[in-house]
Amino acid sequence: AQTVTQSQPEMSVQEAETVTLSCTYDTSESNYYLFWYKQPPSRQMILVIRQEAYKQQNATENRFSVNFQKAAKSFSLKISDSQLGDTAMYFCAFMRGSRLTFGEGTQLTVNP
Amino acid sequence: SQTIHQWPATLVQPVGSPLSLECTVEGTSNPNLYWYRQAAGRGLQLLFYSVGIGQISSEVPQNLSASRPQDRQFILSSKKLLLSDSGFYLCAWSPEINQPQHFGDGTRLSIL
Repeated sequence: AQTVTQSQPEMSVQEAETVTLSCTYDTSESNYYLFWYKQPPSRQMILVIRQEAYKQQNATENRFSVNFQKAAKSFSLKISDSQLGDTAMYFCAFMRGSRLTFGEGTQLTVNP
Repeated sequence: SQTIHQWPATLVQPVGSPLSLECTVEGTSNPNLYWYRQAAGRGLQLLFYSVGIGQISSEVPQNLSASRPQDRQFILSSKKLLLSDSGFYLCAWSPEINQPQHFGDGTRLSIL
C-alpha cells in the first residue's frame, strides 16, 4: 500500500516571501500521479498542482511549483510571493488508478 | 462546465438514526465518484468509489454503505449511526482513473 508523509504539521511565512512544503511517499509503482490540494478554512478541497511521474519536468502553476525527485520519492511544493489567501491546510496526495492517498496535511499560515 | 453538488452542508443526528448524504455531478457523463471522510485536522480517508452505475468498491470496513442509482448520483448511507461516524464527508468526481479528483463542499456530520 502507498503511504504519503508530510513531516511539517504547521508552517508560517511572511507575506510576499517564499515557502516550501515537504512531502515524501512510498510506492513500488513506476507510473503514478502526485497532487497538491489546498483546503482553506471553508474546507473546500482545491486542486493546486499535479505531476505525472513519467514526466521529468517539474510542474508549475503561476506562483506554485513543485520539486519532484522520483528516485528519492519526494514531492515538495514551493509557493512564491505568498499571499494572505494562501493560508490553508495543504495536502499532498498520491494517485494510482482510482485510489487517491492523502498525507496528513501541513497547516500554512501567511502573516501580514 | 462540470459541477458537483453535495448536501446537506451540516447535519446533526442522534446515535442510532439513519443517514443519507447525496452527491450529484453535472456537465459530464459516467464519472468516477468517491466518498471520503476527514477527521478534524487530519487527511482524507477514502470510503467508497464507483466507476459506474451499481458498481461500488468499499475501501474500509465500517458502518456505512454507498449506492449509485443513477450515472451522476452517489449516495452515502447508514441504517444506524454510531458516535464514531462523526466527521466531515466529502464527495469527489473524476472523468476517469488517473485524473485529478474534484471535490464537493462537504458535509459536516455531528452525532449526538
